[in-house]
Amino acid sequence: ETGVTQSPTHLIKTRGQQVTLRCSSQSGHNTVSWYQQALGQGPQFIFQYYREEENGRGNFPPRFSGLQFPNYSSELNVNALELDDSALYLCASSLAARANVLTFGAGSRLTVL
Amino acid sequence: AQSVTQPDIHITVSEGASLELRCNYSYGATPYLFWYVQSPGQGLQLLLKYFSGDTLVQGIKGFEAEFKRSQSSFNLRKPSVHWSDAAEYFCAVGPLEGTGTASKLTFGTGTRLQVTL
Repeated sequence: ETGVTQSPTHLIKTRGQQVTLRCSSQSGHNTVSWYQQALGQGPQFIFQYYREEENGRGNFPPRFSGLQFPNYSSELNVNALELDDSALYLCASSLAARANVLTFGAGSRLTVL
Repeated sequence: AQSVTQPDIHITVSEGASLELRCNYSYGATPYLFWYVQSPGQGLQLLLKYFSGDTLVQGIKGFEAEFKRSQSSFNLRKPSVHWSDAAEYFCAVGPLEGTGTASKLTFGTGTRLQVTL
């Protein structure tokens, strides 16, 4: 059984640009969540996707958006990048929208210059 | 609002010594409690979780945690630490399954464990 895979692993962007991060969920998992982990901090919940719709969101502005595809994979899009967006972005999948046992990927490290 | 406090930013222990990592939480209702471990370049791995029942819960890799409702604490312990346990440890709280967004966990800021040989 494959785990959660994320791409790219590292990327560098400049302020004002847009970025797309990708995530393939663990086999059999239909729910995907995204977290932002700033340096020296714990992960912070961005949002959850289930049945291709967002069904829970943390305290992040609308320029953070996502998609979930029929195969349960997901994308995180961030527009108008700011320096404070520099962080490790973690994707997690779970068996169902109501399940709280999460399987995390290794993350995508974004640096905004 | 829920919150998690991990008062120790960095802990150093000798290999073979016992370990206790502290976690205090604030939550409006009965929460799920979790401990995750993060090694460099890796994602978070679940060590154990607790909702109800026996207040001492066993996890993987020889870890255990004790829930103390009166102290709002959920401390992680291991009797004998191995060098491979060096990593970042995160305590988290989450809602009951079926009540709100189940994957919306609130994490502490983490405790970095260093193991000396």
